[in-house]
Amino acid sequence: DVKVTQSSRYLVKRTGEKVFLECVQDMDHENMFWYRQDPGLGLRLIYFSYDVKMKEKGDIPEGYSVSREKKERFSLILESASTNQTSMYLCASGREVRSYEQYFGPGTRLTVT
Amino acid sequence: AQSVTQLDSHVSVSEGTPVLLRCNYSSSYSPSLFWYVQHPNKGLQLLLKYTSAATLVKGINGFEAEFKKSETSFHLTKPSAHMSDAAEYFCVVSGSGGAGNMLTFGGGTRLMVKP
Repeated sequence: DVKVTQSSRYLVKRTGEKVFLECVQDMDHENMFWYRQDPGLGLRLIYFSYDVKMKEKGDIPEGYSVSREKKERFSLILESASTNQTSMYLCASGREVRSYEQYFGPGTRLTVT
Repeated sequence: AQSVTQLDSHVSVSEGTPVLLRCNYSSSYSPSLFWYVQHPNKGLQLLLKYTSAATLVKGINGFEAEFKKSETSFHLTKPSAHMSDAAEYFCVVSGSGGAGNMLTFGGGTRLMVKP
């Protein structure tokens, strides 16, 4: 079974803090994705990566950055957290960039106070 | 550009009765369409997919969906709801647009199943 794990299920941070969300996949997938999920808006793509050290902006990259130093690990970074970044963050991995076959982690619920 | 509209944010049914979750899409291309399910505290799971083969698609757990091009719809159905079906369901379209436009998610429909 494909497994995508995220470092924290729940996280509470203060405004202005730097926040790291970690994601690890064990299926040797080339592509990894970060989404945020908000009620009524579904999932929106923040960033994705198609190879180590490669990244592309998604639909809502503002206020976020990413890092992929190893194939299995994809990190989402909030340089200076703000209250409007309170959300559920989902990581996914897959073989094809445009494939529906994305495998999702359980999510990290981030609250910024 | 592509978009997905899930017509109901919440649907409530009784156990044993049919389920209908409605989805309309727009796409400039011949779309691929999917339904994902998210159970509480779990990751999203692919329920079924349409990729230009048969218009009636069968998925896991007895769900199916019919692609209707003339109506730009891809509604999800199940003949008889089970308590374990309570979850949030997302209709998704896959486009061939720019890099940031791969999977477009609808807003989600929360399905509640009453005993």
